[in-house]
Amino acid sequence: AQKVTQAQTEISVVEKEDVTLDCVYETRDTTYYLFWYKQPPSGELVFLIRRNSFDEQNEISGRYSWNFQKSTSSFNFTITASQVVDSAVYFCALSEAEGGGNKLTFGTGTQLKVEL
Amino acid sequence: GAGVSQSPRYKVAKRGQDVALRCDPISGHVSLFWYQQALGQGPEFLTYFQNEAQLDKSGLPSDRFFAERPEGSVSTLKIQRTQKEDSAVYLCASSQDRGPSRVQFFGPGTRLTVL
Repeated sequence: AQKVTQAQTEISVVEKEDVTLDCVYETRDTTYYLFWYKQPPSGELVFLIRRNSFDEQNEISGRYSWNFQKSTSSFNFTITASQVVDSAVYFCALSEAEGGGNKLTFGTGTQLKVEL
Repeated sequence: GAGVSQSPRYKVAKRGQDVALRCDPISGHVSLFWYQQALGQGPEFLTYFQNEAQLDKSGLPSDRFFAERPEGSVSTLKIQRTQKEDSAVYLCASSQDRGPSRVQFFGPGTRLTVL
């Protein structure tokens, strides 16, 4: 069965600080896909990134970076020099190629608050 | 281009009433999903359509929940005899792809409150 754990319920930082959001996943599939979504107060989930299980290369997009480590089943997300506009709930999600390919399994989310 | 739209955005129902929630996916997207998001939780899968075919309804919590997509575009999620535990945000998502790698694009959700 697939499972995603986001142990950090809420994180508060001061603007310009770096912050890392943790994501640990469980799956029996060898082929799977990991996602991060952002949910601002408006409620709409915004896609940020997708990685497949065969590509462990870290990725950087502007102030965002992602660290995928299969050895620890983790897919962590770092925001560098955080800004108030980064305040939102962030979800990590998993899609299995064989076991559950029709759906995304989400973690419980991490509420990020960036203050001035 | 327009994103996924959902209506109504907010719905208040008395316990026992039937409700219908509408989803307009992005034009041309073959895959459509419904998720339920309880307060403080992540979205949980309800059902999946590929065009007009409902290929997976394993997440529907009871036979009071019913979804349809008769022409392969707009979808309706119907909840009969609503209960308080049905109170949640119902999210619709669509994707132009079919496989597990697909990126799902979400609508703003319908917040259902059952009194």
